[in-house]
Amino acid sequence: LAKTTQPISMDSYEGQEVNITCSHNNIATNDYITWYQQFPSQGPRFIIQGYKTKVTNEVASLFIPADRKSSTLSLPRVSLSDTAVYYCLAPAGGYALNFGKGTSLLVTP
Amino acid sequence: DTGVSQNPRHKITKRGQNVTFRCDPISEHNRLYWYRQTLGQGPEFLTYFQNEAQLEKSRLLSDRFSAERPKGSFSTLEIQRTEQGDSAMYLCASSLASSLHEQYFGPGTRLTVT
Repeated sequence: LAKTTQPISMDSYEGQEVNITCSHNNIATNDYITWYQQFPSQGPRFIIQGYKTKVTNEVASLFIPADRKSSTLSLPRVSLSDTAVYYCLAPAGGYALNFGKGTSLLVTP
Repeated sequence: DTGVSQNPRHKITKRGQNVTFRCDPISEHNRLYWYRQTLGQGPEFLTYFQNEAQLEKSRLLSDRFSAERPKGSFSTLEIQRTEQGDSAMYLCASSLASSLHEQYFGPGTRLTVT
């Protein structure tokens, strides 16, 4: 099971781009990198998933270098409503997701 | 809204009592998961079902915990003889069999054991 490490917290101002980096040194060949977002008093929400290079959707971009030992979630022009906890996961094989503590992002005016 | 629903949303019980939570997944999803989340921590996996079969259980799921999904649709999680350490948010999620780690979570049931 790949262990992931990400910052405990980050602060940003509205309108800025936020990049959250996650390290996963022992990621397995078949593992995908998956990010979830969780608002207070809600269940987590799937944001994006990737295997290598770059993936982009309407919410975020995910950058994964060739060695796949890290990944960066990029949130363009954050707003106050992006204040949440962001989890980086590298699930192995099975379907149990191990969330860790995540990165608590605070966006202020 | 056809998302995952959970009932009740909040439950306060006295230590030693039994409690049961219900989860209704997205209708076409054949996989269903239970997680537990305590303050300041990410969700921790408890168990998962594919249709009515319980295929994986975490070591966190002690003998006092039991989960069922009798007809492959809704699921129940029962905690017997509750302890104060059981106080947490219990989250249910569902997914398609073809999904690769994309799970849809419900709003959770917050349990407080006094």
